Amino acid sequence: EAQVTQNPRYLITVTGKKLTVTCSQNMNHEYMSWYRQDPGLGLRQIYYSMNVEVTDKGDVPEGYKVSRKEKRNFPLILESPSPNQTSLYFCASRPTRILSVGELFFGEGSRLTVL
Amino acid sequence: DQQVKQNSPSLSVQEGRISILNCDYTNSMFDYFLWYKKYPAEGPTFLISISSIKDKNEDGRFTVFLNKSAKHLSLHIVPSQPGDSAVYFCAASPLNNNDMRFGAGTRLTVKP
Repeated sequence: EAQVTQNPRYLITVTGKKLTVTCSQNMNHEYMSWYRQDPGLGLRQIYYSMNVEVTDKGDVPEGYKVSRKEKRNFPLILESPSPNQTSLYFCASRPTRILSVGELFFGEGSRLTVL
Repeated sequence: DQQVKQNSPSLSVQEGRISILNCDYTNSMFDYFLWYKKYPAEGPTFLISISSIKDKNEDGRFTVFLNKSAKHLSLHIVPSQPGDSAVYFCAASPLNNNDMRFGAGTRLTVKP
């Protein structure tokens, strides 16, 4: 089954304790990205990656890091989480297409609470 | 700077009637527009899209209309069904594909 898998789905942590949210896709997609969803703000892009070893900042990259060492994996790293990073996080992927925009395939989300 | 706006946080309609969800955008560089549907505890799923060279795209009960001059698009669901109850996100992207922007979402409730 084609899917984007995120882990953990739920996490409560404390300020300053480093954490990683993993993301893996089995569709051989070149493009992967991370979004956070907050009330009234919709989905905002944190980082994206066009392919292996290529990453770029989205709208809200502060406080986050990513890496793309393999095509299927795109982990999101919070080096020193703060309460304003409490949010619902989505990983997404899509194939690269010429002269069109392919739809994103989303994971089920990771709800993070930072105390 | 919200370049994609969904000004109605919620919408309630009766089963069998039409649901109309609206979306406005400010960036004239957007070339593609998409609608995603999200159920609780799930990720958003793609619903329908439209290119800026068209003004209408239809897929079963779902139709998206684009008015480029007004920078406005809408999603029509006819007839609405209780299973359509979800949050709907409007999204827009330029042709370079890297910068897909989402609206805040509209929660649709279809009452039996």
